[in-house]
Amino acid sequence: AQSVTQLDSHVSVSEGTPVLLRCNYSSSYSPSLFWYVQHPNKGLQLLLKYTSAATLVKGINGFEAEFKKSETSFHLTKPSAHMSDAAEYFCVVSDKTGNQFYFGTGTSLTVIP
Amino acid sequence: GAVVSQHPSRVICKSGTSVKIECRSLDFQATTMFWYRQFPKQSLMLMATSNEGSKATYEQGVEKDKFLINHASLTLSTLTVTSAHPEDSSFYICSAPGLLYNEQFFGPGTRLTVL
Repeated sequence: AQSVTQLDSHVSVSEGTPVLLRCNYSSSYSPSLFWYVQHPNKGLQLLLKYTSAATLVKGINGFEAEFKKSETSFHLTKPSAHMSDAAEYFCVVSDKTGNQFYFGTGTSLTVIP
Repeated sequence: GAVVSQHPSRVICKSGTSVKIECRSLDFQATTMFWYRQFPKQSLMLMATSNEGSKATYEQGVEKDKFLINHASLTLSTLTVTSAHPEDSSFYICSAPGLLYNEQFFGPGTRLTVL
């Protein structure tokens, strides 16, 4: 079975400071991992995905994530937070077929002006 | 990119009534679609897999008779919440896989409020 654990339910950063959202995964095979963002009353937007290519994945809006097998982690980072980054972030792992997605519990990011 | 739409975006209904939510793949065909449920400030939970031309596959703990799924065509799946109660109030999201491995397109969601 596969699952993801988001270690922080809420993260608060000041505008212009780095963002770190933590995610650990569990999988019996080489996983595919994703980060999605959900703004209030909006649909899910794919930020980035890892599918066993480069371990450092760059996504949209300046976000990136690094796959670390030794630590079973896939943390999301951004060098400088922007007010528009305030949203809910989900770490996701897919099953072996690549069709079924399993979501973490989410991390709510607040950006303080 | 491919687009998945949902209708309605919001619905309010009285307790005991049934509500139908549509999920459409707008410019691609989807033999499989997925239905998720999201409680306020919580994660998305996979409810069921909708299969075109056959019965849906439900996740453990999801009542089949409560959440009726029909996948009548290659571009449309419907979720009907039967005899809705306030505890069914939630955000329902559908998704459809794209052509590429691990590609998934999510609908914008439907917010159901049962009074």
